[in-house]
Amino acid sequence: AQSVTQLGSHVSVSEGALVLLRCNYSSSVPPYLFWYVQYPNQGLQLLLKYTTGATLVKGINGFEAEFKKSETSFHLTKPSAPMSDAAEYFCAVSGLNSGGYQKVTFGTGTKLQVIP
Amino acid sequence: SQTIHQWPATLVQPVGSPLSLECTVEGTSNPNLYWYRQAAGRGLQLLFYSVGIGQISSEVPQNLSASRPQDRQFILSSKKLLLSDSGFYLCAWSEGGTGANVLTFGAGSRLTVL
Repeated sequence: AQSVTQLGSHVSVSEGALVLLRCNYSSSVPPYLFWYVQYPNQGLQLLLKYTTGATLVKGINGFEAEFKKSETSFHLTKPSAPMSDAAEYFCAVSGLNSGGYQKVTFGTGTKLQVIP
Repeated sequence: SQTIHQWPATLVQPVGSPLSLECTVEGTSNPNLYWYRQAAGRGLQLLFYSVGIGQISSEVPQNLSASRPQDRQFILSSKKLLLSDSGFYLCAWSEGGTGANVLTFGAGSRLTVL
């Protein structure tokens, strides 16, 4: 079975500071990994994804994440956070399940607060 | 381009009343369709997924059911709502097949059961 653990349900950073949101996964097969962002009362929006190839993945809005197989991690980073990055962030893993389709499992989310 | 529509956006229902949430996708054919529920501090819980018309799989036993009467239509229903059914419900779609499952979400439906 696959799973995702997001360390820290709440993270606070100062405006302009580095953002680091942590995600560790468990999967019995090579995983596909994702980060999504959710603004209040909205659906989730894809930030970036890792499927195969380069382990450093760049996404929208200046975010990037690095797939580290040895650490089973996929942490999300951004060098400098504007106020508009305040939102909830979800890490997700996708793997082929017994029914023959790609099942996506989400972490419990990390709420990012950006302090002016 | 593909779009996903979900309605109603907000719903307040009494305990024991029925429920129907609807989701439609445009601009694609034979998508995989999903219903998720989001409760505070618990992330997203997959309720149902569908890989084709009339093909519904349930991930967790519950008071809800799902149907897919048309290729791009996915409906979440309940005959009698419980207080515990309150939450934020999200419909999503992805391309069919076994490739990387990028989900595209609707705007969500917030259900409050009183």
